[in-house]
Amino acid sequence: GENVEQHPSTLSVQEGDSAVIKCTYSDSASNYFPWYKQELGKGPQLIIDIRSNVGEKKDQRIAVTLNKTAKHFSLHITETQPEDSAVYFCAASFHGSGNTGKLIFGQGTTLQVKP
Amino acid sequence: EAQVTQNPRYLITVTGKKLTVTCSQNMNHEYMSWYRQDPGLGLRQIYYSMNVEVTDKGDVPEGYKVSRKEKRNFPLILESPSPNQTSLYFCASSLFAGELFFGEGSRLTVL
Repeated sequence: GENVEQHPSTLSVQEGDSAVIKCTYSDSASNYFPWYKQELGKGPQLIIDIRSNVGEKKDQRIAVTLNKTAKHFSLHITETQPEDSAVYFCAASFHGSGNTGKLIFGQGTTLQVKP
Repeated sequence: EAQVTQNPRYLITVTGKKLTVTCSQNMNHEYMSWYRQDPGLGLRQIYYSMNVEVTDKGDVPEGYKVSRKEKRNFPLILESPSPNQTSLYFCASSLFAGELFFGEGSRLTVL
């Protein structure tokens, strides 16, 4: 089955710097890679996702890149702000017509943005 | 407002005392799932349901039961809780293969 490894487990950056969180997956059939943000005391919330037919996707200050050959994908946050402080989870699954695999989550990264 | 509602949010109980964590969604989602979150282990799926009366085991189902009698509700049942079930629990729902919407979590402590 699928296995997702996420690094680092904690990340501390200065406000305005960039933050990068990396994930690797094991199942080459996986084709859907979402990222969730969990603020303190709340449930995770989808912030961006990417499918395997593209290599990069951007939404304002966040971007995700995917390297299918190496089976890894990354979350990039530019110009970090204190409100970016949260736990971030990557995940992977297979989505096909009439068939969807289970979403497997990484271990999570606690991002701290220092003012 | 579209939401997933879990209750209770916090619970302290003792070993062996049966408890139920309720989950309800108002988005007419077919898919519902329970996860537990433990430090260093991320989110691990306990049980999931593709639709009413259809449930299946996730990665860590031991010690848990679920039921899906109505589309909106998906309760998690701990028949005989043990200390290793102390955790933060999340219910989530989605349209089939879509974005997962999570509840705000239920923190359970089993003494």
